[in-house]
Amino acid sequence: KQEVTQIPAALSVPEGENLVLNCSFTDSAIYNLQWFRQDPGKGLTSLLLIQSSQREQTSGRLNASLDKSSGRSTLYIAASQPGDSATYLCAVTGRDGNKLVFGAGTILRVKS
Amino acid sequence: KAGVTQTPRYLIKTRGQQVTLSCSPISGHRSVSWYQQTPGQGLQFLFEYFSETQRNKGNFPGRFSGRQFSNSRSEMNVSTLELGDSALYLCASSPRADTVDEQFFGPGTRLTVL
Repeated sequence: KQEVTQIPAALSVPEGENLVLNCSFTDSAIYNLQWFRQDPGKGLTSLLLIQSSQREQTSGRLNASLDKSSGRSTLYIAASQPGDSATYLCAVTGRDGNKLVFGAGTILRVKS
Repeated sequence: KAGVTQTPRYLIKTRGQQVTLSCSPISGHRSVSWYQQTPGQGLQFLFEYFSETQRNKGNFPGRFSGRQFSNSRSEMNVSTLELGDSALYLCASSPRADTVDEQFFGPGTRLTVL
């Protein structure tokens, strides 16, 4: 059974810092990994999708890497801003097709 | 292109009642999945529909059911509501089910069971 773990559970940083969020998964037989952002009480916004054959994806200040063999992914946020404050979730798909298995998330607070 | 829409956004019910939630996927998307989000269990997969057929089901009791219509819109139903069913219910759509695509989520329906 696939399990996804995210570290740290919460993070508070001053504005302008670069930061890294970590995600690990137990079954390396994944098809893809997605990073999402969730604002309080809202739905999920897709940030980056990494296919299993890819090593990284970039969008603006965000960069996500994937090491499938070791079961790890990182989300790098450059020059953090208060508007980046949210919960960040990673999720993987595997043999069950479109079924996403989620981590518990990292709550990020960027202080101005 | 309009995103995934869910109705209603908020719902209050009492124990024992039943409820139906609706999800309209992004135009052209044929796969619709449902998730339950609670503070204690996080995000958990309920089921996925594609071409009006349930393709996959999570570990939830039979009180949770769903269906998909020919226009890809989906509904989920929860019968005999329990206090523990209070949650944010999220719907996600993706273009196909024969490949594993990026999924896009709606704003969710907040269900409160009293």
